[in-house]
Amino acid sequence: DAGVTQSPTHLIKTRGQQVTLRCSPISGHKSVSWYQQVLGQGPQFIFQYYEKEERGRGNFPDRFSARQFPNYSSELNVNALLLGDSALYLCASSAGMDNSPLHFGNGTRLTVT
Amino acid sequence: AQSVTQLDSHVSVSEGTPVLLRCNYSSSYSPSLFWYVQHPNKGLQLLLKYTSAATLVKGINGFEAEFKKSETSFHLTKPSAHMSDAAEYFCVVSGGYNKLIFGAGTRLAVHP
Repeated sequence: DAGVTQSPTHLIKTRGQQVTLRCSPISGHKSVSWYQQVLGQGPQFIFQYYEKEERGRGNFPDRFSARQFPNYSSELNVNALLLGDSALYLCASSAGMDNSPLHFGNGTRLTVT
Repeated sequence: AQSVTQLDSHVSVSEGTPVLLRCNYSSSYSPSLFWYVQHPNKGLQLLLKYTSAATLVKGINGFEAEFKKSETSFHLTKPSAHMSDAAEYFCVVSGGYNKLIFGAGTRLAVHP
């Protein structure tokens, strides 16, 4: 079975632009979570979606938004990009909403210039 | 609030020698604790998980971790390092639901 897939793998954007990152969970998984990993740091929680509803949100500005589709895939949107948004964005899926093992994708490397 | 502190940012060992990666946690209730590994340009892989069933947790690839409540520690060990173990290791505590709180990471180097 395919694991968690994310697209694109790499992306370069300019300050002020908007970006959309995509994630397909493992088949049968209904929960998708997003994490931001700045170089040299551990990942930080951005969002969790379960059954197409937002179930948790980390300490990120409103420029960050996400949604989950009926097929459980998800998109992360970031508006008005800042240089500090440069990071590896990781998507994780799990079968349940709480304490289910998370399976991570390989991430999208976003560079903002 | 939950948090984890990884006590070493870098650890260097020789192949075949023991590995010890240290982690202290802070939690207002009985925590769920994890160790994840990240190889270069790869996503995160779960090594092991503690959920109060047993204090000594065995994971994949020969790794294990011991939960010590009195010391608020959850150190990761392996008896004999292999070159393929070179990677970044993260100690993680559950913040509820599927929210994970990661430590800053420990980079493990393995020398021949």
